[in-house]
Amino acid sequence: AQSVTQLGSHVSVSEGALVLLRCNYSSSVPPYLFWYVQYPNQGLQLLLKYTTGATLVKGINGFEAEFKKSETSFHLTKPSAHMSDAAEYFCAVSSGSARQLTFGSGTQLTVLP
Amino acid sequence: GAGVSQSPSNKVTEKGKDVELRCDPISGHTALYWYRQRLGQGLEFLIYFQGNSAPDKSGLPSDRFSAERTGESVSTLTIQRTQQEDSAVYLCASSLFRGQDTEAFFGQGTRLTVV
Repeated sequence: AQSVTQLGSHVSVSEGALVLLRCNYSSSVPPYLFWYVQYPNQGLQLLLKYTTGATLVKGINGFEAEFKKSETSFHLTKPSAHMSDAAEYFCAVSSGSARQLTFGSGTQLTVLP
Repeated sequence: GAGVSQSPSNKVTEKGKDVELRCDPISGHTALYWYRQRLGQGLEFLIYFQGNSAPDKSGLPSDRFSAERTGESVSTLTIQRTQQEDSAVYLCASSLFRGQDTEAFFGQGTRLTVV
């Protein structure tokens, strides 16, 4: 069984401030981990993913995430928030032979001017 | 096609009617997912198809919901006797499911409104 927990359904940051969106997962086997972003009235698009290898992964729009096995975490960060980053962010895990994708409940990011 | 295509993009139906939603995955993608997203909420898993394996239907909320997929092509999600609580955006995604290539590509969704 696998699951994803996103701490904080709403996060607000000031423009230029650090963005930190938290994600913890549960999986009995090595997972693949993903962050997706959903802009208002749009579909989901992939920000970044971790499969194997380097635990710090970089994605689009300056986002990055670090896989920490000991903490079962995959937190998303961006050094400096931009107004255009306002969106909903979903963490997801895929594991096991079936590789079924399970999503967290999402975090709505608001960027304040 | 270039991406996952869902139709219709919007559907308004009367309570009690049946609706059928269609998803055309990316060609060659063996995995296909249906999710439901209610207003202001996260993604609720409905059903997962993977190749010729039996689909995982564990997320279907009631027996009014069913889905089919022929081979590795089109999938249809059917909701019978629709209720107002069925109003949501229904998202389809497909994945290549080969080695590390498990990224899911999403369609734009079908916005279902039950009146």
